[in-house]
Amino acid sequence: AQTVTQSQPEMSVQEAETVTLSCTYDTSENNYYLFWYKQPPSRQMILVIRQEAYKQQNATENRFSVNFQKAAKSFSLKISDSQLGDTAMYFCAFDDDKIIFGKGTRLHILP
Amino acid sequence: DSGVTQTPKHLITATGQRVTLRCSPRSGDLSVYWYQQSLDQGLQFLIQYYNGEERAKGNILERFSAQQFPDLHSELNLSSLELGDSALYFCASSMRLAGERNTQYFGPGTRLTVL
Repeated sequence: AQTVTQSQPEMSVQEAETVTLSCTYDTSENNYYLFWYKQPPSRQMILVIRQEAYKQQNATENRFSVNFQKAAKSFSLKISDSQLGDTAMYFCAFDDDKIIFGKGTRLHILP
Repeated sequence: DSGVTQTPKHLITATGQRVTLRCSPRSGDLSVYWYQQSLDQGLQFLIQYYNGEERAKGNILERFSAQQFPDLHSELNLSSLELGDSALYFCASSMRLAGERNTQYFGPGTRLTVL
C-alpha cells in the first residue's frame, strides 16, 4: 500500500531563515503527482507546490521549492526567507489511485 | 480563493441529529472528494464522486452518506450524530479521477460541533 511519511511532527525557525520539511513516500508506480499543502491557523487547505514524477526538474513557486529524489522516494519542501505568515501545518500528499496525505509537520516561524 | 465553496461554514447541533453539508466544485471539475479532519489530526479521506458516480470510499461510517448531483454539487449527510463526529469537513474538487495526475483544490471547510 502507498504511504506518505513526514518524520518531523513539529519545527521552529527564526524569521528570514531557510527551513526544509521532509517527506518520503512508498509506491511501485512510475508516474504520479506529489503535493505540498499548507494549512494555516484559519485551517484552509492551500496548495503550495506540485511536482510531476516524470519531470526531473524540481518545482519552484517563489520562496517555495522542492527537492524531488525519485529513486529515493523523497520529496522535501524548502522555504526560503521564511515569513511569519508561513506558520502553518504542512501536509505532503501523493496522488495514486487516491490522494494519500502524510500526518503533517507543524511549522512555527518565530519573530 | 480556490473556487470550491462549502456551506455552511459552521454548524452546531446535538447528538442524534442529522445534518447535510454542501459543496460546489470549481467550474469544470468533475470529481468531488470529502475529508474529515478532527482537532490536530490529519486528513481522513471519506468518499469520492466523479461525474455523479461514487468512485472511491475511504473510512466513511455507515451513518454517513454522500451524493453528487447532475449540476456536480455534492452533499455529505451525517446522521445519528455522536460527539466524536465533531470535526472540520473538507470538500475538494479536481478535473479528473485520482490516479490521473490530478490536483485537488480544497474548499474552506465546514466546522461541525456536536453537543
